Amino acid sequence: DGGITQSPKYLFRKEGQNVTLSCEQNLNHDAMYWYRQDPGQGLRLIYYSQIVNDFQKGDIAEGYSVSREKKESFPLTVTSAQKNPTAFYLCASSIWRVNAYEQYFGPGTRLTVT
Amino acid sequence: EDKVVQSPLSLVVHEGDTVTLNCSYEVTNFRSLLWYKQEKKAPTFLFMLTSSGIEKKSGRLSSILDKKELFSILNITATQTGDSAIYLCAVVRNNDMRFGAGTRLTVKP
Repeated sequence: DGGITQSPKYLFRKEGQNVTLSCEQNLNHDAMYWYRQDPGQGLRLIYYSQIVNDFQKGDIAEGYSVSREKKESFPLTVTSAQKNPTAFYLCASSIWRVNAYEQYFGPGTRLTVT
Repeated sequence: EDKVVQSPLSLVVHEGDTVTLNCSYEVTNFRSLLWYKQEKKAPTFLFMLTSSGIEKKSGRLSSILDKKELFSILNITATQTGDSAIYLCAVVRNNDMRFGAGTRLTVKP
């Protein structure tokens, strides 16, 4: 089945620890994205990558880092510098066609930091 | 600063009612507007709107875009309990999307 997988579904960490969230897609999409969702705030873009070995900061990149060594994978690291890391994290991927643009979302990872 | 504003933030209706959800935007490099439905985890795609005045329909859902007044509406007729969800509006810019905060719709039996 084609799709996007994120793991784990739930993640608990102690404050001060870095944590890496996994995102894999087998849709052959060029672009991948990380969003954060907090209650009442919709989705906010953290980082995105349009091609392998290249990525761009989104609106709230501080305290996060990413890598894009393979087309299929776009892991997100939540560093200890992120002041409020507890949130629901969604990964997405997309293709770009003329007059068409859709993002396909993974199931998400809920991160709780205490 | 680019922004996408959805209203209302939450809405409670009864089965059979018709609802209208609003999305207004101020975005540079606008390319298109998307509507998503989010029930538990991942948002699922509903509509993509690129041109003004052309209504998109899918069953009981329909949506239209006004690029002059910078807004879109999502209509749901004859609502059912299964329509209960968060409805997200997103505007596609050159390289990414800007999401609104969403409208939480609750449909009571």
